[in-house]
This record gives sequence, structure tokens and C-alpha cells, in this order.
Amino acid sequence: DGGITQSPKYLFRKEGQNVTLSCEQNLNHDAMYWYRQDPGQGLRLIYYSQIVNDFQKGDIAEGYSVSREKKESFPLTVTSAQKNPTAFYLCASSIAGDAETQYFGPGTRLLVL
Amino acid sequence: AQRVTQPEKLLSVFKGAPVELKCNYSYSGSPELFWYVQYSRQRLQLLLRHISRESIKGFTADLNKGETSFHLKKPFAQEEDSAMYYCALRETSGSRLTFGEGTQLTVNP
Repeated sequence: DGGITQSPKYLFRKEGQNVTLSCEQNLNHDAMYWYRQDPGQGLRLIYYSQIVNDFQKGDIAEGYSVSREKKESFPLTVTSAQKNPTAFYLCASSIAGDAETQYFGPGTRLLVL
Repeated sequence: AQRVTQPEKLLSVFKGAPVELKCNYSYSGSPELFWYVQYSRQRLQLLLRHISRESIKGFTADLNKGETSFHLKKPFAQEEDSAMYYCALRETSGSRLTFGEGTQLTVNP
């Protein structure tokens, strides 16, 4: 597996703390995405970006923030405003405008202490 | 707003039995539908797309616009088909996907 990586694999957050999840891709894809995966709720889109320095809110953006300063990187910050952050987070990338060809990362599991 | 619904969270069948994973959608435009699969300890990946009308690993799915459904079918399930399956809809703009809740398929020996 290569192409798109996420780190760390597990992340622990204390109450009131912001944490940042890393997502890097070397596929030369313009578009990148962040999803939250919860049992019984499927994948829900948090944020997505079609091009560097631009991003859009997904369906559950509250309590999260992103940046897209480089084509290959799309970090996600889970802020203290996110009241239920415990989840599995998936990052993906694709050719711009071709969302179905998303390549998914291995995921990061975030746990709240 | 678009919505994808998979009514079955869990589905269990025996090897060799037919299997159907249900998917319903609501979308005001012309939808494009897809099925994704996640095998244990593997990454989520695209299984098939409705526009290609292809059969992948014995699975097929037909878009029924009248019933707004895109059910995934296989006539004879195999143990290696056990996985989590997600139905997804792509907006006309192509910039994002909306996923269903997922169905965990277990094929018993």
C-alpha cells in the first residue's frame, strides 16, 4: 500500500484539547476528502478540497477545521468544540471532479481520554 | 439534498445462497451510483459503478430510477465476500460522494 497515508494510526485526545490528523498523498491528485466513520452511520463527509488553498464544508463540519496549503497534504484538526470526537477518520484523494475514483487511506482512530 | 439509505445493517447468508444488499437513494438530479467494499483489515475500495453495467467478483447492480434503488446482487455468495459494503451517490458536479450507512455481509460456511 502506498499512495495515501494517514498518521498516527491511533490518537488520544484529552478534554478541551485540539488534535491534528495527518493525511498525505503522492498520487498527484487535486481533490482530497475527510470522512468520519461510525458504526451504523456509514461514512460522513467532514470537509473536502478540490484544489490547493480551497476547501468546502461537508455534512458534519462543525467542530473540525482543515487547511490545504500543499497539494499533497490535507490535515484535519479536531477542535475542542467537537463534543463527540471518538471515531474512525478516513482520508481520501481523487482526480478533481471524479469523486468516485477516491483512493482511501488506512484511517486514524481517535479516542478521548 | 441527496440521501442514500441502506436498510440492513447486518446481513448473514450461507455459502452458495443468493445475496442482495439493498440501497435506496433520493436525489433531485441525475444520479450516478456506486458500490464500495471494505474487507477486513483492508482499505475501502470501489467495487462497481452503475454506468459501466459491469459484473465484478460476480456482483451486479442495476439502477432502477423508478424505485430509486441500486441493489447489489450475487447469485451464489462465497465466504470471501464477507465484508462491509457501502452504497454511494455522486452529485452531477462530480465533486463529492454521499455514502449510505453500510451493510456488514457475513457469508457462513
